[in-house]
Amino acid sequence: ETGVTQSPTHLIKTRGQQVTLRCSSQSGHNTVSWYQQALGQGPQFIFQYYREEENGRGNFPPRFSGLQFPNYSSELNVNALELDDSALYLCASSLGLAGFSYNEQFFGPGTRLTVL
Amino acid sequence: DQQVKQNSPSLSVQEGRISILNCDYTNSMFDYFLWYKKYPAEGPTFLISISSIKDKNEDGRFTVFLNKSAKHLSLHIVPSQPGDSAVYFCAASDNGGSQGNLIFGKGTKLSVKP
Repeated sequence: ETGVTQSPTHLIKTRGQQVTLRCSSQSGHNTVSWYQQALGQGPQFIFQYYREEENGRGNFPPRFSGLQFPNYSSELNVNALELDDSALYLCASSLGLAGFSYNEQFFGPGTRLTVL
Repeated sequence: DQQVKQNSPSLSVQEGRISILNCDYTNSMFDYFLWYKKYPAEGPTFLISISSIKDKNEDGRFTVFLNKSAKHLSLHIVPSQPGDSAVYFCAASDNGGSQGNLIFGKGTKLSVKP
């Protein structure tokens, strides 16, 4: 069984650009959650997707959006990048809706985004 | 306003001794707590958890204690090993409630010296 993978590992963008980050969940996991981890902070919940639909969002603006595909892959899209978007972006997959104690989340290694 | 607080950014411990990492929370709706360990260039990995109906949970060298009245939990590692050197995150969940997912603290960087 393969773990959660993310691509790319690192990315540099300039302010105002758009970016797409990718995640491949563990096979059979129908939920993916995305987190933003700024320097010196803990991961902060962005949103989760369950069976290809958004199901819960944290305190992030609409320019953060996502997609989940039937093949256990997913994307995080960020439009109109700002300097404060520089962070490590983590995805985590789980068998069911995250946030419940019985659905353990498995994290990928993250994508380090730098916005100049 | 931080709902999960880890007030010690770093902790240094000698190999073989006990490591105690602390975490405080403010939201009384949290009823499930987790500790994650993170090595550089890797994602967080689940370490141990505790439900609010318990006050202690053990798994090998790792024990988590929960004091609900104080809204405080701690992770004890005994004995500490150099391989335990990592960043430890405390996280809380309200089990499908309004928070939507896990709420993490800022982390404590543990260094275990040989």
